[in-house]
Amino acid sequence: QVQLVQSGAEVKKPGASVKVSCKASGYTFTNYYMHWVRQAPGQGLEWMGIINLTDDIKSYAQRFQGRVIMTRDTSTSTVYMELSSLRSEDTAMYYCARDGPNNFDYWGQGTLVTVSS
Amino acid sequence: SYKLTQSPSVSVSPGQTARITCSGDALPRRSAYWFQQKPGQAPVLVIYKDSERPSGIPERFSGSSSGTTVTLTISGVQAEDEADYYCQSTDNSGIYVVFGGGTRVTVL
Repeated sequence: QVQLVQSGAEVKKPGASVKVSCKASGYTFTNYYMHWVRQAPGQGLEWMGIINLTDDIKSYAQRFQGRVIMTRDTSTSTVYMELSSLRSEDTAMYYCARDGPNNFDYWGQGTLVTVSS
Repeated sequence: SYKLTQSPSVSVSPGQTARITCSGDALPRRSAYWFQQKPGQAPVLVIYKDSERPSGIPERFSGSSSGTTVTLTISGVQAEDEADYYCQSTDNSGIYVVFGGGTRVTVL
């Protein structure tokens, strides 16, 4: 069965970077794109970007341009999202989600990133 | 930037019908998707391509589209349907994903 398993919670200081991983299993990794979505405490869903797992082409939401980098490792079926220059407003749950035949069809369990001095 | 607008909340008694709307200028040209999110859980897709229901989603969930508005309807609401619901689509380019602000459904 399809599974997306994300790395554990992180606590970072303002100005630092964080790298979250998302390991996929149960399907052919390169057949589908992967999204990253975040959700601040008590807030709605916010799309961060998408990565093509075949050719490594990415599209990032405008508000994250220059601060986010999405990468993938096809040998381990793992996708990474790195966010730099962290500020308190980046405290959120970060999700990976597969762009399947019906759009966001499978989601990771989420990774809580806390930014605090 | 492109926005999808949802009403913040809907309250409904068990067995009644809940309707959640989502408005956006590109919706006549772009498919809409609906997600249910319960506290502490990842979102779950309940409707795709405006009105299609994924396998495993109860028949009481349905979707429709008219002009710049899409609607998620929950018929015969059950207590377990209490959750936040988000619409999602893309801008006119088809590349950039947008989520609505979410609608909290409260079952009285």
